[in-house]
Amino acid sequence: EVQLVESGGGLVQPGRSLRLSCAASGFTFDDYAMHWVRQAPGKGLEWVSGISWNSGSIGYADSVKGRFTISRDNAKNSLYLQMNSLRAEDTALYYCAKGSVAGTLYGAFDIWGQGTMVTVSS
Amino acid sequence: DIQMTQSPSSLSASVGDRVTITCRASQSISSYLNWYQQKPGKAPKLLIYAASSLQSGVPSRFSGSGSGTDFTLTISSLQPEDFATYYCQQSYSTPGTFGPGTKVDIK
Repeated sequence: EVQLVESGGGLVQPGRSLRLSCAASGFTFDDYAMHWVRQAPGKGLEWVSGISWNSGSIGYADSVKGRFTISRDNAKNSLYLQMNSLRAEDTALYYCAKGSVAGTLYGAFDIWGQGTMVTVSS
Repeated sequence: DIQMTQSPSSLSASVGDRVTITCRASQSISSYLNWYQQKPGKAPKLLIYAASSLQSGVPSRFSGSGSGTDFTLTISSLQPEDFATYYCQQSYSTPGTFGPGTKVDIK
């Protein structure tokens, strides 16, 4: 079964850091780009960051650029998001999503995890 | 960045109705347009990719069309399980911006 399982969310104070993880199974992880997408409570979807299959191409939303770092470990079938200098507006459910087209950062997101909640509050 | 808009923002419809949702990009994105369905408390689900290609396992009552800047998602005969929020997303360039969503609820 193709599956993505996020972890690492929680309550954190403004200015602190948090690292999210996404464990992938059921597909050839190192063939596909992976992405983080977030959804603030009651709001729409916002693409946060994406990384190509070989980490050679990486992108960030302007809202997180310079604060968040995406990475992957193909040997462990895992995706990560290091979030520094967290702000209240980063409060959201963070989804891990699989790119649908092998070998490119672009394309639709065909598999999604269940999400991990990040709450930034003092 | 490419901006995505959707209309309407919400609609009420009955089972069996034909429903059309439109999505517009702020610049041409060729056919790099995807549609997702999200139900409350659940992750989004890919319905349509590349503007008009039906994702595997998605019922054929869903269809997509358009290219350039204007796109449409059509549900030919609305079913009870289709009441949800629908998002378009461009995958032409980074960031892969989403539209604000269209909520479809029961009339």
